[in-house]
Amino acid sequence: KQEVTQIPAALSVPEGENLVLNCSFTDSAIYNLQWFRQDPGKGLTSLLLIQSSQREQTSGRLNASLDKSSGRSTLYIAASQPGDSATYLCAATQGGSEKLVFGKGTKLTVNP
Amino acid sequence: DGGITQSPKYLFRKEGQNVTLSCEQNLNHDAMYWYRQDPGQGLRLIYYSQIVNDFQKGDIAEGYSVSREKKESFPLTVTSAQKNPTAFYLCATSVQGAHEQYFGPGTRLTVT
Repeated sequence: KQEVTQIPAALSVPEGENLVLNCSFTDSAIYNLQWFRQDPGKGLTSLLLIQSSQREQTSGRLNASLDKSSGRSTLYIAASQPGDSATYLCAATQGGSEKLVFGKGTKLTVNP
Repeated sequence: DGGITQSPKYLFRKEGQNVTLSCEQNLNHDAMYWYRQDPGQGLRLIYYSQIVNDFQKGDIAEGYSVSREKKESFPLTVTSAQKNPTAFYLCATSVQGAHEQYFGPGTRLTVT
């Protein structure tokens, strides 16, 4: 059964810093891995989707990587801004299935 | 204006009452999902549907029921059999299974 872990649970950084959020998963037989952002009391916003055949995806200041052999994905945020403050969730498909399994998220605070 | 709508945003019910949460989409997506989010826990899958008139149980289906009579709509009923119904409920869609998932704004249900 797929398990997804995100460490740390919370992270606080000064504005302008580059940062990395980590996600690990136990079953490498995934279809894809998706990164989301969630603001308090809101739904999830999809940030990046990485297919199992891909190594990374980029969107603006965000870059997500995928290493299936080690069961790890990272989300890199360049030049962080206070508006990046939110909870970031990682989700991987369950082995042989299209169902997503979510981590508990990393709560990011970017201080002005 | 394309998207996913969930109504209402806040819902209050007395214990022992059934309640139905609405999820509507105009993205023409085939697959629809219901998740539950509790503080300190990741999202958990309740039910999902890949095509009209068909749906499957997720990891925590007990005490819930769904229907998929139209492509655009996937209502979730929280029955009195659900022991801990108070939670944040999120609906999602994807073009098909194993594709990028998009989320609605959520409904916060409080049962007292």
